[in-house]
Amino acid sequence: AQKVTQAQTEISVVEKEDVTLDCVYETRDTTYYLFWYKQPPSGELVFLIRRNSFDEQNEISGRYSWNFQKSTSSFNFTITASQVVDSAVYFCALSEVNAGGTSYGKLTFGQGTILTVHP
Amino acid sequence: ETGVTQTPRHLVMGMTNKKSLKCEQHLGHNAMYWYKQSAKKPLELMFVYNFKEQTENNSVPSRFSPECPNSSHLFLHLHTLQPEDSALYLCASSQRLAGLQETQYFGPGTRLLVL
Repeated sequence: AQKVTQAQTEISVVEKEDVTLDCVYETRDTTYYLFWYKQPPSGELVFLIRRNSFDEQNEISGRYSWNFQKSTSSFNFTITASQVVDSAVYFCALSEVNAGGTSYGKLTFGQGTILTVHP
Repeated sequence: ETGVTQTPRHLVMGMTNKKSLKCEQHLGHNAMYWYKQSAKKPLELMFVYNFKEQTENNSVPSRFSPECPNSSHLFLHLHTLQPEDSALYLCASSQRLAGLQETQYFGPGTRLLVL
């Protein structure tokens, strides 16, 4: 069975600090997708990134960066120079994929990390 | 309208009421999903529809009845709910094609309170 663990329930930082959100996953599949979503107070889950299990390159998008380490089954998310608008709940998720590379559509979510950025 | 929309955004209902949640996606996707997010549990997948056909029912009680008349619309019919069904109900959609890397896009959710 698949499992996603976000050990940090809540993180509180002051604006401009860097913050890393941890995500550890378990799966028996050799092919899978990993995702990060942001959920602001409005409730909508906003897609941030998708990573294929074959692609271990780290990615940077503005102040956001992701570190995928297949050897440790981790997919951590770092926000550099955090801002108040980054305050939200962040979810890491895992998706099964069949041998043909097609997703089954089942996302397994972690518990989420509540990030609060203080001015 | 763009993206995935859900109505109503908030709903209060009694245990004997019947109500429906509506989801509409404007992304041209062929798969739609219902998720439940309650305070004490992680996001739970409820139903999956692929090309209007239900492909997943994650052991959801029969008091929740989904309907997908076409690839753009998804409903969740509610009847005789329990207070523990109070939660945020999220709809999502994606484009599912063989070999295509797929991403689910979510609506803003309906916050349901059952009294």
